[in-house]
Amino acid sequence: DGGITQSPKYLFRKEGQNVTLSCEQNLNHDAMYWYRQDPGQGLRLIYYSQIVNDFQKGDIAEGYSVSREKKESFPLTVTSAQKNPTAFYLCASSAAGSYEQYFGPGTRLTVT
Amino acid sequence: AQSVTQLGSHVSVSEGALVLLRCNYSSSVPPYLFWYVQYPNQGLQLLLKYTTGATLVKGINGFEAEFKKSETSFHLTKPSAHMSDAAEYFCAVSIQGAQKLVFGQGTRLTINP
Repeated sequence: DGGITQSPKYLFRKEGQNVTLSCEQNLNHDAMYWYRQDPGQGLRLIYYSQIVNDFQKGDIAEGYSVSREKKESFPLTVTSAQKNPTAFYLCASSAAGSYEQYFGPGTRLTVT
Repeated sequence: AQSVTQLGSHVSVSEGALVLLRCNYSSSVPPYLFWYVQYPNQGLQLLLKYTTGATLVKGINGFEAEFKKSETSFHLTKPSAHMSDAAEYFCAVSIQGAQKLVFGQGTRLTINP
């Protein structure tokens, strides 16, 4: 079955620690995206990548970093510089030239 | 710049009643428009999309939406609500010149028995 996997489903970290969220897709999509979701605020774009070894900042990139070394993988690191990291994080992908995005199941990060 | 406004953060209807979720967009070029549904603690699933052609678009689970350029709207409807329709719904519009979407704030739909 083709799709997007995010792991783990729930993640707990202490304040001051960096944490990396995994996103893998086997849809052969070129573009991948990371969103943050907070109650009542919809989805906000953190980073996106349209091709391997290239990525762009979204609307709320501060305190986050990404890499795109392989087409299938787009990990997101939440650094200690992110002031309010507790949120639901969603990864998505889309085919080249398409606006239709396919979403993973999400990772809920709690930082205390 | 493109933007999306969803009117009503919470909508409540009775089972069997009409569902109407409102979405207005702002775009200087012909947009691509999407409705997604999200169940608790899950990712988003595409309900339907408008790209070009017929302005009345049918999607999954009995939902449909109509693109009205003159009103810059893309409202989502379903003739008869089912308990399983309870979820959060997001409208999204394409961003010109970039392979990105901008999402509305979401509307939480509650179905009363």
